[in-house]
Amino acid sequence: NAGVTQTPKFRVLKTGQSMTLLCAQDMNHEYMYWYRQDPGMGLRLIHYSVGEGTTAKGEVPDGYNVSRLKKQNFLLGLESAAPSQTSVYFCASSRGLAQETQYFGPGTRLLVL
Amino acid sequence: EDQVTQSPEALRLQEGESSSLNCSYTVSGLRGLFWYRQDPGKGPEFLFTLYSAGEEKEKERLKATLTKKESFLHITAPKPEDSATYLCAVRAGGFKTIFGAGTRLFVKA
Repeated sequence: NAGVTQTPKFRVLKTGQSMTLLCAQDMNHEYMYWYRQDPGMGLRLIHYSVGEGTTAKGEVPDGYNVSRLKKQNFLLGLESAAPSQTSVYFCASSRGLAQETQYFGPGTRLLVL
Repeated sequence: EDQVTQSPEALRLQEGESSSLNCSYTVSGLRGLFWYRQDPGKGPEFLFTLYSAGEEKEKERLKATLTKKESFLHITAPKPEDSATYLCAVRAGGFKTIFGAGTRLFVKA
């Protein structure tokens, strides 16, 4: 099993450009999450999904959109990138509320100029 | 307000020098406390889950304990390969997991 994979690993964007980050998991987990990690701060939840076709806002959702068309995939979109979105983005998945341990992907480093 | 604070921010140890990392929390309705290890340039890797005060879990040189207000990650006789950032996270009510900023551990041979 590959676990949780993320594409791309690194990306540079100009302000105003758009992009989509892809997360895939092969553990048949119901729940998936997108976090951002900034220096000196804990991981902060952007959006999450409790199942195929569902999404919900987390702690810092502004400027991001998500979609969960297939159970194994969770996409994070930036419609108009801003320098404040420079960060490392992590995707995670978990089996569900009864099995709440989250398993993380390797991360995507995003630099917005 | 729900909050998770980890201390110290950084810890430098000599190989074999045991120590503890602290995670203090204030949440309403604790549903689980998690410890993760994160290596540079990688995603967090799950270590332990604790659910109730008094619970303890061990894995190799690591032992996690939980009280009503804090958790400790004890590292016994650390080795250089234990160098990493250790993250604490608390699952509160609703659908909310709060992460601490982490403790960076450096173990020198």
